Amino acid sequence: AQSVSQHNHHVILSEAASLELGCNYSYGGTVNLFWYVQYPGQHLQLLLKYFSGDPLVKGIKGFEAEFIKSKFSFNLRKPSVQWSDTAEYFCAVRGGNTPLVFGKGTRLSVIA
Amino acid sequence: DTAVSQTPKYLVTQMGNDKSIKCEQNLGHDTMYWYKQDSKKFLKIMFSYNNKELIINETVPNRFSPKSPDKAHLNLHINSLELGDSAVYFCASSLREKLFFGSGTQLSVL
Repeated sequence: AQSVSQHNHHVILSEAASLELGCNYSYGGTVNLFWYVQYPGQHLQLLLKYFSGDPLVKGIKGFEAEFIKSKFSFNLRKPSVQWSDTAEYFCAVRGGNTPLVFGKGTRLSVIA
Repeated sequence: DTAVSQTPKYLVTQMGNDKSIKCEQNLGHDTMYWYKQDSKKFLKIMFSYNNKELIINETVPNRFSPKSPDKAHLNLHINSLELGDSAVYFCASSLREKLFFGSGTQLSVL
């Protein structure tokens, strides 16, 4: 069965700092990879997804993620965070026809 | 230990049937949720319960009803299943804004 681990539980950054959130998964076959974001008081939204092709995926709001198959990783990045990026970020993996498996989430706090 | 567990993992059933999905959390959280993952992979909230009170109910058909016998459980009952109900349903619980999800139930209505 697949599993997902997110390395950081809580990340605190100043505005304009660069962001990288780690995500590693375990699954032996072809995977679909996702990052979700939950802003305070809102439900989850899809930030970006990788199915195939270019391993560097661009998402909404300036986010991107890179799929590195050899490292079983799908890290989320943003060159310059804003206060409005404060949210909970979830990495998720889907292998074959199985339901999504979510990581435990990383809380990002951006301070002025 | 599994923090949020939901059963079954897969559920295949005929149109018109009534089915339930169970969810239990051992985290001591006060709030539990049901989400439906749509075809575009968005998770949309269906219900949330806080201390056994329904506090969010998005535009969900009344064929769907959450039942919470205690604050560690939030079960989802679905009556008269329709083809369009086929989806993956996620249970979750939260402490403030941090969500903990179950592994999902893939419902297929034939």
